[in-house]
Parts: sequence; C-alpha cells; structure tokens
Amino acid sequence: DTAVSQTPKYLVTQMGNDKSIKCEQNLGHDTMYWYKQDSKKFLKIMFSYNNKELIINETVPNRFSPKSPDKAHLNLHINSLELGDSAVYFCASSPQGRGTEAFFGQGTRLTVV
Amino acid sequence: DQQVKQNSPSLSVQEGRISILNCDYTNSMFDYFLWYKKYPAEGPTFLISISSIKDKNEDGRFTVFLNKSAKHLSLHIVPSQPGDSAVYFCAASLPSGGATNKLIFGTGTLLAVQP
Repeated sequence: DTAVSQTPKYLVTQMGNDKSIKCEQNLGHDTMYWYKQDSKKFLKIMFSYNNKELIINETVPNRFSPKSPDKAHLNLHINSLELGDSAVYFCASSPQGRGTEAFFGQGTRLTVV
Repeated sequence: DQQVKQNSPSLSVQEGRISILNCDYTNSMFDYFLWYKKYPAEGPTFLISISSIKDKNEDGRFTVFLNKSAKHLSLHIVPSQPGDSAVYFCAASLPSGGATNKLIFGTGTLLAVQP
C-alpha cells in the first residue's frame, strides 16, 4: 500500500524534449514537495505546495513547472530538457505542522541524452 | 554554501557495536533536525527527529543528540545491525510559509555494518 508514489521510476529522453513526472500521495497530507538529488548526491528542495498553493519556489529554471490539480497530486513538468537536468527527482509529502517529517516517494531517475 | 554538513562520507562498524553519525550546521534559524535513512533505488525514510529546544531524543536503538552551542548533532545506533547498512542523511528544517517545512539535507554518510 504505497504512501507516496511516483511515475515513471526511470525516464530516458533526448535533449530538448518535454517530459512530466507524476506524484500521488494517499496519506491525506496537505503539503507536497519536489526534491532533486544531483550527481554529487546533494538533495535539494525545488518546490513546495500546501493545499494546491505554491509555498516554496527555490531558484529553479522556469523550464520546471509544478502543477497540483488537488492536494493529493503534485506533478512536475520539464520543458526543453538539458543534459544538466539528469538527476533523481523525489516527491514527498508531509502533514501540517512544524517539524513533521516528510514521506518520500521512491524517486524518478531522469537521464537526458 | 552547504548549511548542513556530514563530513564523513562513510563509516564501517561491527555488528552489535555502536554507530555514531555526525552532522554540523551553520544556520542558527533551524528549528528541527531530522535523520533519514536511504537504501539504493528507494526514497529516504524518516528515522528520528529532534526539536532545537531539546538536546536528546531516543527511539529504540536510535538516539539523536543536539549540541546547539557547537551547532552539531549526532545519531547513535546501538546495537548496530547489518540491516542498518544504508546512507544516512541529516536534515534541518527552516520555518517557511506557515506550516511548510523546508528541509536542508547534508550529503549523507554511508554506514556499513559488518556481520
């Protein structure tokens, strides 16, 4: 019974393409996130949504656009993919409240060739 | 500028012994600290957290210690088990937009527990 699920798990695509990664959580959480883990293993926050409202938008190229159709879903759309976008992207969710832990999906490994 | 640092990329301990994973931070605005464990090809899973107003939190074999004056925290695992072998990430939480938690992660420490 998966709590935070991402699809696809692996994604290989050519430079210049547009791709989407989907995320769904069945935990009833109000807040969802996208994190990126790069080749140096740094895990950095990209976006955060609370009840479909954008809360955090880190310094991310505007080729990356998150979309939250409802509070259980947060999808990530990437336009004009570049080699440097290759990374593992993690979706996460957390309940309301400070200090509450985030629950992560299994990650999507994106490879741009 | 890495606000959360884990200076040991790897650690090897014998089964049954104590594992001590360390983490240093620079931002005094962090109000919660969390430890996550990650297996290959999986997402990080939450282990234990501590509020900045406390100096110790214990949960079974896992204990986290916080030294605010030194801006240092550590995770103790005792006794260590082979199933504990994984990458451990330290994370710190910044207040950001009401109830939203912005987690700043360290680069991780690979723990190997030898049978």
